[in-house]
Amino acid sequence: AQRVTQPEKLLSVFKGAPVELKCNYSYSGSPELFWYVQYSRQRLQLLLRHISRESIKGFTADLNKGETSFHLKKPFAQEEDSAMYYCALMGSSNTGKLIFGQGTTLQVKP
Amino acid sequence: DAGVIQSPRHEVTEMGQEVTLRCKPISGHNSLFWYRQTMMRGLELLIYFNNNVPIDDSGMPEDRFSAKMPNASFSTLKIQPSEPRDSAVYFCASRWDLHTGELFFGEGSRLTVL
Repeated sequence: AQRVTQPEKLLSVFKGAPVELKCNYSYSGSPELFWYVQYSRQRLQLLLRHISRESIKGFTADLNKGETSFHLKKPFAQEEDSAMYYCALMGSSNTGKLIFGQGTTLQVKP
Repeated sequence: DAGVIQSPRHEVTEMGQEVTLRCKPISGHNSLFWYRQTMMRGLELLIYFNNNVPIDDSGMPEDRFSAKMPNASFSTLKIQPSEPRDSAVYFCASRWDLHTGELFFGEGSRLTVL
């Protein structure tokens, strides 16, 4: 069964500090992993996907198959990064099923 | 394109009443998803469709929940009868293909059942 776990409901850091939002998954095959973000008063939107191996708004995420993790990182947090972040998984069985974790609220303090 | 459109944005109802949430996906998108967002459980997948056909409804919590997609541009999620524990934000999302592509979300329908 597919499962995504985000262990932290709230992560609070000061501006300029490093950020790491944790995501662990459970899946027997090779999944696709994503991070979605919801800024205040905006729609939930895609931030990045592991297959693109890109950096968006300074955020990166590396898929670690050994640890079944896909943590989201940024070296220096900005106040505008404050938002709700969701990790998501789509299994390799090609069902198209996309499931999300519980979400982590990132609060960047000035 | 206005994106995924959901209505109503807010709904307050009393326990036992029927609730119908509506969604218009982005034109040309073939897949549509319904999610429920709560503080405790995050975003839960309820059901999703491909080419108007339900693919997986295993996330629908109870028989009180039903969803339809009569055509490519419209879907409904119905709760009958509603209960206070159904209070949540319900999101509809669409993407152009079942297996690939970014998922685009609506603004959500906030449901409060008293």
